[in-house]
Amino acid sequence: GAVVSQHPSRVICKSGTSVKIECRSLDFQATTMFWYRQFPKQSLMLMATSNEGSKATYEQGVEKDKFLINHASLTLSTLTVTSAHPEDSSFYICSASSGTSSYEQYFGPGTRLTVT
Amino acid sequence: SQELEQSPQSLIVQEGKNLTINCTSSKTLYGLYWYKQKYGEGLIFLMMLQKGGEEKSHEKITAKLDEKKQQSSLHITASQPSHAGIYLCGADYYGGSQGNLIFGKGTKLSVKP
Repeated sequence: GAVVSQHPSRVICKSGTSVKIECRSLDFQATTMFWYRQFPKQSLMLMATSNEGSKATYEQGVEKDKFLINHASLTLSTLTVTSAHPEDSSFYICSASSGTSSYEQYFGPGTRLTVT
Repeated sequence: SQELEQSPQSLIVQEGKNLTINCTSSKTLYGLYWYKQKYGEGLIFLMMLQKGGEEKSHEKITAKLDEKKQQSSLHITASQPSHAGIYLCGADYYGGSQGNLIFGKGTKLSVKP
């Protein structure tokens, strides 16, 4: 089956610094990638949708200048949390879709971000 | 109000018992996805339902989508400790090229040996 990887799996950073999370589709071309955020014991919330080669579409309430998304190739999307604050600590999961008719999304294993 | 309601929020069952988790949408679904997650880990895809009245099974897990495509249930037969985890339903309202999912709040399942 399709495999999506995320790197790093865990990251701890200091408040005010930026951190980049990578999402890669390993064995298929992902025309669309999605970034979700999950708070403890809560559901996944969609942050943004990115299509390869174009600007990401952000959900209402998500600061695009804070959460920079780049989808430069068909196998890689990155989420950069800029000037991170403790409230940005969360579990971030990406998913990728090849846009085929069955339209399944394949989820990465997630990245736990802790901002101290 | 929440577009997608999932119930129950948590469930504790004795090993060997059957259980059902429900997912109800306030509007018609294009597709409905079921995932299992251990918190802090990625999602494991279970099943996707798209047609009204559709039913799919995998091992001891059966998922159904009603004819109106607004309600889905996930049924586990003869539960085992390995079934424990968080079950999430994800709604696709648009299909086509949009494809993002709206998730329910999840059901935390514990199975007592």
